[in-house]
Amino acid sequence: GAGVSQSPRYKVAKRGQDVALRCDPISGHVSLFWYQQALGQGPEFLTYFQNEAQLDKSGLPSDRFFAERPEGSVSTLKIQRTQQEDSAVYLCASSLAGFGAGEQYVGPGTRLTVT
Amino acid sequence: AQTVTQSQPEMSVQEAETVTLSCTYDTSESDYYLFWYKQPPSRQMILVIRQEAYKQQNATENRFSVNFQKAAKSFSLKISDSQLGDAAMYFCAYSPNFGNEKLTFGTGTRLTIIP
Repeated sequence: GAGVSQSPRYKVAKRGQDVALRCDPISGHVSLFWYQQALGQGPEFLTYFQNEAQLDKSGLPSDRFFAERPEGSVSTLKIQRTQQEDSAVYLCASSLAGFGAGEQYVGPGTRLTVT
Repeated sequence: AQTVTQSQPEMSVQEAETVTLSCTYDTSESDYYLFWYKQPPSRQMILVIRQEAYKQQNATENRFSVNFQKAAKSFSLKISDSQLGDAAMYFCAYSPNFGNEKLTFGTGTRLTIIP
């Protein structure tokens, strides 16, 4: 497809379970971003990759959150020992380049519900 | 740190009328991007319009236009000839023009179109 895709679209996890969320960016896009969108709020930055390098992870809320992009394309956001406050929509976005291109294409998101 | 403020949690407009959504932001940078994103209910977030801060001319995209006031750090979105399909959450966002181009989003404005 032409856009950013994410899977699964919906995930229900019991508190304490580990989850892995996948993002397939647009082919050729260098930059990849993860955002967390709580219910009724705007998305908040989690982490940023340029190719396979994670250049900024300052938004990750705790050390239970981990992201990787080993080959510079697909990215995975992993949350260990999920907590109820992790319930949110996790958005992935990609952009062509990290030098002023500006426009990010946002995926449909994964809605995580922790029970 | 940059902040984006949307002071209108909800707005409504009659079909075919014009509506303006407000956004203010705070930054110490002189060069940056500003965006309006649309997020329909249960659907993917899409870019509506973007403005580069060094350009004085206001961006326009068909029925969508912005009023960019750099000195006042204001970036409002005007939707003309409102259509039922315009109903959505609208997010104002800021991105630096260098390095990590992470988006800083406002809290959103929910726009309702009245038939």
